[in-house]
Amino acid sequence: SAVISQKPSRDICQRGTSLTIQCQVDSQVTMMFWYRQQPGQSLTLIATANQGSEATYESGFVIDKFPISRPNLTFSTLTVSNMSPEDSSIYLCSVGYTFGSGTRLTVV
Amino acid sequence: TQLLEQSPQFLSIQEGENLTVYCNSSSVFSSLQWYRQEPGEGPVLLVTVVTGGEVKKLKRLTFQFGDARKDSSLHITAAQPGDTGLYLCAGGGNNRKLIWGLGTSLAVNP
Repeated sequence: SAVISQKPSRDICQRGTSLTIQCQVDSQVTMMFWYRQQPGQSLTLIATANQGSEATYESGFVIDKFPISRPNLTFSTLTVSNMSPEDSSIYLCSVGYTFGSGTRLTVV
Repeated sequence: TQLLEQSPQFLSIQEGENLTVYCNSSSVFSSLQWYRQEPGEGPVLLVTVVTGGEVKKLKRLTFQFGDARKDSSLHITAAQPGDTGLYLCAGGGNNRKLIWGLGTSLAVNP
């Protein structure tokens, strides 16, 4: 199975700023997924990122707030834009059934 | 809309006890996965079940997929403190977008 390197592992950010989360996969994959998770709770899919096309966003998530890049088949980024305390959460990328270790974001 | 109902949401037991976690749906899934997640880490896949009636064992963990592929269970025998974590079930769709249960937070007390 794929190995995913996700960073940063955690960050504390000021409201109104943006944070970009990176995921690097050790093999080429077509689809990557971005999730949000409150600690101890289930996962909510933000968007599906395909290489060479725009990401597909789930209901409640928009590109202006969560822009995604997918420049090649091994890399993707998720940006959390104009952050507010409500964006404090864990953000995870996945490939198939394999997940990155997550980014714990706290917005103050 | 496909939904997965997972229960119980919280479980606190003593070391050595047995427990069962359930995932139920009114929809048929092509496959169902069970994950375990520890704090500060992403979910780690424990097992995938794909055949109705399938039973898989992973040491003290037994996974079962219902005959109609609408439900699944995870049974842990003689739980240990190392089993503590968040257990998640997820149903696989044909487009690989997973449908997630709400999770079961398990605490095994020594």
